[in-house]
Amino acid sequence: AQTVTQSQPEMSVQEAETVTLSCTYDTSESDYYLFWYKQPPSRQMILVIRQEAYKQQNATENRFSVNFQKAAKSFSLKISDSQLGDAAMYFCAYQTSTSGTYKYIFGTGTRLKVLA
Amino acid sequence: EPEVTQTPSHQVTQMGQEVILRCVPISNHLYFYWYRQILGQKVEFLVSFYNNEISEKSEIFDDQFSVERPDGSNFTLKIRSTKLEDSAMYFCASSLDSPGGNEQFFGPGTRLTVL
Repeated sequence: AQTVTQSQPEMSVQEAETVTLSCTYDTSESDYYLFWYKQPPSRQMILVIRQEAYKQQNATENRFSVNFQKAAKSFSLKISDSQLGDAAMYFCAYQTSTSGTYKYIFGTGTRLKVLA
Repeated sequence: EPEVTQTPSHQVTQMGQEVILRCVPISNHLYFYWYRQILGQKVEFLVSFYNNEISEKSEIFDDQFSVERPDGSNFTLKIRSTKLEDSAMYFCASSLDSPGGNEQFFGPGTRLTVL
């Protein structure tokens, strides 16, 4: 079975600085998708970025980028030029299917604090 | 921008009571999901639903749980006889389709407290 581990329960970053959130996973599949979701306080989770495992190029979305190391089963999220609005819980997720419908397996989350 | 909505935001119930958690998915979405997060633990998959039937359910989703899409807009999760360990945040999600890499859109969650 697949597992996702986020080893940093909480991280802090100074506004305008860069922070990296860690995520590792375990799987025997060769093709899969990985996601980072952001959950602001009292709001719904929203997609930050996704990565297809068969693509070697790291995904980038504006200030958000990933460092995908397939062999190491590592999928970290880098946030550049951190803003106050980046403060949220960040969830790493692995997408898998056993019935044709895809579901997420989540990590426990990392709470990011942005300091002014 | 369309959003998934959930009601109520917080539900308090007595052990043994039935609760229904309601979700309104994004209108043109076809796949629906429930996840839950016990405080301090991972967000866990409960069930997926497509074409008016369950497509997959987890080990957590036992006989006390059921899901229904009673009309064209609502998607509900019923817990027949709540237990203390059902206390959690329950998230509804929907997606337009379900190939690999698809994005699921989440609601804000319902916090269920069982006393």
